[in-house]
Amino acid sequence: GDSVTQMEGPVTLSEEAFLTINCTYTATGYPSLFWYVQYPGEGLQLLLKATKADDKGSNKGFEATYRKETTSFHLEKGSVQVSDSAVYFCALSPPASYGKLTFGQGTILTVHP
Amino acid sequence: EAGVAQSPRYKIIEKRQSVAFWCNPISGHATLYWYQQILGQGPKLLIQFQNNGVVDDSQLPKDRFSAERLKGVDSTLKIQPAKLEDSAVYLCASSTRDRGSGANVLTFGAGSRLTVL
Repeated sequence: GDSVTQMEGPVTLSEEAFLTINCTYTATGYPSLFWYVQYPGEGLQLLLKATKADDKGSNKGFEATYRKETTSFHLEKGSVQVSDSAVYFCALSPPASYGKLTFGQGTILTVHP
Repeated sequence: EAGVAQSPRYKIIEKRQSVAFWCNPISGHATLYWYQQILGQGPKLLIQFQNNGVVDDSQLPKDRFSAERLKGVDSTLKIQPAKLEDSAVYLCASSTRDRGSGANVLTFGAGSRLTVL
């Protein structure tokens, strides 16, 4: 079945550091790929998405590129802020599934001043 | 637009008791989902509705969990009897098709946190 694997956490960085959170997936066909973020005390929010190979999703300085050849969708940000501290989830949605999401286990990010 | 509404936000019960969670999706969203998020894990789909019909309930423990979506709008998730391992956050989400990409984009509610003692 479909699955998503994220890099083990937690990740601790200093402000302005470069961030990479790795995400790889297993799926048949061409799923849509997503990153969701969960800030402390809040619900899940869509951060960015990509729906076909080589698409780049971007939002709030975060980027991720859909790599079909490596089945990856790594999240990157050039300079993190304390306010980026949250849990990040990679997820996929198979074609023709009405948006059903399969999530990775989540990666906790803590950014120190 | 108003978001996905869920209630109650918190519930504490003893094992073998029953509990119900309510969800009101975003107006006009045809697809509604219930996810279970156990502490330290990613959300897991329990059931998915398209209007008032079930699309996928393959991971719903049907001996104790039930869900309905009357009239294709609000939905209720029930657990009876509850077990200790049901302690989790129950997330409701709804979606509509994104015009640009054609993908369904989910909007999540704040969740209902269940503690089973």
